[in-house]
Amino acid sequence: EVQLLESGGGLVQPGGSLRLSCAASGFTFSTYAMSWVRQAPGKGLEWVSGISGSGDTTYYADSVKGRFTISRDNTKNTLYLQINSLRAEDTAVYYCARDRGRVTAAPDYWGQGTLVTVSS
Amino acid sequence: QTVVTQEPSFSVSPGGTVTLTCGLSSGSVSTSYYPSWYQQTPGQAPRALIYTTNSRSSGVPDRFSGSILGSKAALTITGAQADDESDYYCLLYMGSGFWVFGGGTKLTVL
Repeated sequence: EVQLLESGGGLVQPGGSLRLSCAASGFTFSTYAMSWVRQAPGKGLEWVSGISGSGDTTYYADSVKGRFTISRDNTKNTLYLQINSLRAEDTAVYYCARDRGRVTAAPDYWGQGTLVTVSS
Repeated sequence: QTVVTQEPSFSVSPGGTVTLTCGLSSGSVSTSYYPSWYQQTPGQAPRALIYTTNSRSSGVPDRFSGSILGSKAALTITGAQADDESDYYCLLYMGSGFWVFGGGTKLTVL
């Protein structure tokens, strides 16, 4: 059974940093691309970033480019999202998702999300 | 910047059929955008329904189907049930590894 478990969310001040983690199990992690998708309170889904199965190719939405860094450790079956220079508009539930392919594809399985709140 | 458009809301009667659409602020949606569809109920993670235009995800009943209708991607639900009441999101591939979600459609079954 595919399982994705996010952690690392919390309350952070504007300008602060946070690292989100996503522990994956139930599939061969290195053979799937992964994505982060966020959802602001009461709003729709926003694709944020993606990474290939090998980790050598990364993609970012324009809204987070330069502030967010996606990475993965295939030896630990874990996906990461480093978030810097946080803004109020980054407040959201952040979902980790497994993509259908090795490079980039639409997500199929999703975690339950971790809430990031940016506030002073 | 291209915006992915969806109807903000839609309603369907129990047992009825509804078609939700996913378009572009500029241009037409084709299979090259690899349209996919997700269902989300409040407080829950999204659930994958359809990928690459018309392929159903594992466990999704055949009441859900995807297609291209004219210049838009479409999700059709036949024999609507009460538990189909959810938010539905489409996702399009914009190339170079970038994906964009539509704003979502809130479906009411009444």
